Amino acid sequence: QVQLVESGGGVVQPGGSLRLSCAASGFTFDIEGMHWVRQAPGKGLEWLTLILSNGNDKYYANSVKGRFTISRDNSKNTLYLQMNSLRAADTAVYYCARGGLGLSGLDVWGQGTTVTVSS
Amino acid sequence: QSALTQPPSVSGSPGHSVTISCTGTVSDVGSYNRVSWYRQPPGTAPKLLIYAVTTRPSGVSDRFSGSKSGNTASLTISGLQAEDEGDYYCSSYTSSSTVVFGGGTKLTVL
Repeated sequence: QVQLVESGGGVVQPGGSLRLSCAASGFTFDIEGMHWVRQAPGKGLEWLTLILSNGNDKYYANSVKGRFTISRDNSKNTLYLQMNSLRAADTAVYYCARGGLGLSGLDVWGQGTTVTVSS
Repeated sequence: QSALTQPPSVSGSPGHSVTISCTGTVSDVGSYNRVSWYRQPPGTAPKLLIYAVTTRPSGVSDRFSGSKSGNTASLTISGLQAEDEGDYYCSSYTSSSTVVFGGGTKLTVL
């Protein structure tokens, strides 16, 4: 079945780095845009970044631009999020989701992976 | 990239209808028919309810409907059921080629 599975979350100190992965299965990964969305504890959803199917077109929220980098390996059906210079405010559940430029919404979501930034 | 504005909470009785509003600007909701709605039950990932303002994905009940007027989109849930309780979020594509979510609305079925 269509599935997204995130991994790579954990506890990291302020200023540290972490790389999240999102393994896709059950659909043709290399023709789909992919997003990362996060949700801080008790807060709403925050869109972070989008990468289109070609891997070259990438878009970022101002809150993470310059610190986070989205990438994908279509040969491995895997999406990544490299997070640098992490802050306490980055503590959240991070979701990957399938979708393009908003035409069809984000129609498949992973279960999320938790990132905690704390000393 | 300010969040879209949603009411923090709405409530309704079983069998009745409720509408959740989502107000943006001319740079997002007002200029694009790329508004989506999501429901997030507690402790789980969001689920897509509506995309392209009015379109329901396969498997979503026709009790859910979407609309838009100007800079404000709306989600209407008719025939309220206890299982509809949860958090609802709108989102829109923006003129910066980004996506913005609303702050979320908690639906309580009385």
